[in-house]
Amino acid sequence: GQQVMQIPQYQHVQEGEDFTTYCNSSTTLSNIQWYKQRPGGHPVFLIQLVKSGEVKKQKRLTFQFGEAKKNSSLHITATQTTDVGTYFCAGTGSARQLTFGSGTQLTVLP
Amino acid sequence: NAGVTQTPKFQVLKTGQSMTLQCAQDMNHEYMSWYRQDPGMGLRLIHYSVGAGITDQGEVPNGYNVSRSTTEDFPLRLLSAAPSQTSVYFCASTGLVHEQYFGPGTRLTVT
Repeated sequence: GQQVMQIPQYQHVQEGEDFTTYCNSSTTLSNIQWYKQRPGGHPVFLIQLVKSGEVKKQKRLTFQFGEAKKNSSLHITATQTTDVGTYFCAGTGSARQLTFGSGTQLTVLP
Repeated sequence: NAGVTQTPKFQVLKTGQSMTLQCAQDMNHEYMSWYRQDPGMGLRLIHYSVGAGITDQGEVPNGYNVSRSTTEDFPLRLLSAAPSQTSVYFCASTGLVHEQYFGPGTRLTVT
């Protein structure tokens, strides 16, 4: 079945440093979604990418979808303590089901 | 607009007990899903429904049943709880661009 791998599993950064999490699929995806889950909370939808090579920005967050539509990344510029949480990617493959990556847990040290 | 609601927030069961996790949404979404979240494993799909009266299995359906009698409600039943079902359970409904709206979750411990 479809697998979505996400790295790293954990990342500690000093406030102000940049952060990137990477998502790789074993199969071509029709789209990729990104979610953020605060500690003790539930996942919240951030964005969806659909087109090959697509890049979208939300303030300090930059999302990319690979040319082959098998990988994606989320980059946060100048992290803040409010960025703390776990970031998940989720991809839709040929089975039209959403498969989640295992997440990257971000800790921001003040 | 409450979005997706789940009850209870916390539950402790003994092995072999059964229970129903409740989920409701007020966004008139046709597509709803149940996920479980375990450390280091992301969210795994248990069951989903594409509309009232229609349900199907996800990645990890064993030990769980669902039904969908109305658009709003999508309960998840644990038939005979096992320690391996200790997890956080999230219900979600799907929006227009296939984004998931998650409920607050139920933290279940099976002893």
